Amino acid sequence: QKEVEQNSGPLSVPEGAIASLNCTYSDRGSQSFFWYRQYSGKSPELIMFIYSNGDKEDGRFTAQLNKASQYVSLLIRDSQPSDSATYLCAVTGDTGGFKTIFGAGTRLFVKA
Amino acid sequence: SQTIHQWPATLVQPVGSPLSLECTVEGTSNPNLYWYRQAAGRGLQLLFYSVGIGQISSEVPQNLSASRPQDRQFILSSKKLLLSDSGFYLCAWSRTLFNQPQHFGDGTRLSIL
Repeated sequence: QKEVEQNSGPLSVPEGAIASLNCTYSDRGSQSFFWYRQYSGKSPELIMFIYSNGDKEDGRFTAQLNKASQYVSLLIRDSQPSDSATYLCAVTGDTGGFKTIFGAGTRLFVKA
Repeated sequence: SQTIHQWPATLVQPVGSPLSLECTVEGTSNPNLYWYRQAAGRGLQLLFYSVGIGQISSEVPQNLSASRPQDRQFILSSKKLLLSDSGFYLCAWSRTLFNQPQHFGDGTRLSIL
């Protein structure tokens, strides 16, 4: 059974702080890694994707991938109350064939 | 740009009634299409995916079925709904099946009474 694991949270950070969200995956052959943001009652929205080891930055977001440790993370700098949402980690490639496996998500609260 | 439309937004149905949810994609051709269900507070469960017209792969043995009658149209159906079919149903598309991100519609919140 291919798995993507996330801490369910909630993770609470003060406004302006760095929020660090983590994800581990079981299939060593996985090739593509995505982060989605899901506001309560809404559908998931893609915010980042990463394919290679290392860091990828997009505005206040940084995705980090370590394939040797089967670990992917999302850093949110200067966190804002509007960042409060559930963040879903998704993994594809060899994981489960040609399908994307989603983690259950981490709830993030940013306190004003 | 590509857009995905999903309807209805909410639906309340009695147990045993039929179901039809529809999803269409604009601005791209030959997309890969997906149906997911998300139970309250849970992750996304892949129900069906399709790589082309009439090609449907089922991931779960449920009383649900899917069809793709046109390139950019994906339909989720049931002949008889169960209480356990309640949830948030999401349609998604991607450019290719492998390594590409999926993009979601707004979802249908289905309640079974």
